[in-house]
Amino acid sequence: DIHMTQSPSTLSASVGDRVTITCRASQNINIWLAWYQQKPGKAPKLLISKASLLEDGVPSRFSGTGSGTDFTLTISSLQPDDLGTYYCQQYNNLRTFGQGTKVEIK
Amino acid sequence: QVQLQESGPGLVQPSGTLSLKCTVSRGSIDKEYWWSWVRQPPGKGLEWIGEINHIGRTNYSPSLKSRAAISVSKAVKEISLNLTSVTPADTAVYYCARIVGSTGGFDPWGQGILVTVSS
Repeated sequence: DIHMTQSPSTLSASVGDRVTITCRASQNINIWLAWYQQKPGKAPKLLISKASLLEDGVPSRFSGTGSGTDFTLTISSLQPDDLGTYYCQQYNNLRTFGQGTKVEIK
Repeated sequence: QVQLQESGPGLVQPSGTLSLKCTVSRGSIDKEYWWSWVRQPPGKGLEWIGEINHIGRTNYSPSLKSRAAISVSKAVKEISLNLTSVTPADTAVYYCARIVGSTGGFDPWGQGILVTVSS
């Protein structure tokens, strides 16, 4: 099984801050990684696929980088609407989600 | 824009079988898409259950493979999930989602359905 580890588990930042979430795979997953945003009481929303491909309609302040085992999701300027929990997901071998990173606004 | 809607009992007895359906509307199920089930226990993270394609090929999470079964009915545009021998640990919001063929991400998702396992 491929295990995904996200850090931090929770982060609190101010509007306008640059925010970075990391995701580490237990083995090489190439670029087969997606990022999701989940707001309370809602289904997750796909933000990024293939590690860095921004989905249509997702604000350009979101970006993804990485390959192999180490990946990052960056929000260049945090906005109030960005609060929620972010999950990474590998799909190189079956599918596994990270444990999530809760983003709070100070 | 394709839409997904989960349906089924909100309460299941321990040791029983959880049976859910995902209805696909405003889109085709008879193309080369994969369809997936994901669950989320209250206050916890997402867990992938398994997936199926339009011709019935399946993949499952190793941790649930012995209890989960996913099927597809193209005639009624439904993807079904059966989970046997349930316990309170199976209490969760269950989501269905389409897997984007070109990129592998899950989009769109259904709104989810809360299933509680309790006597």
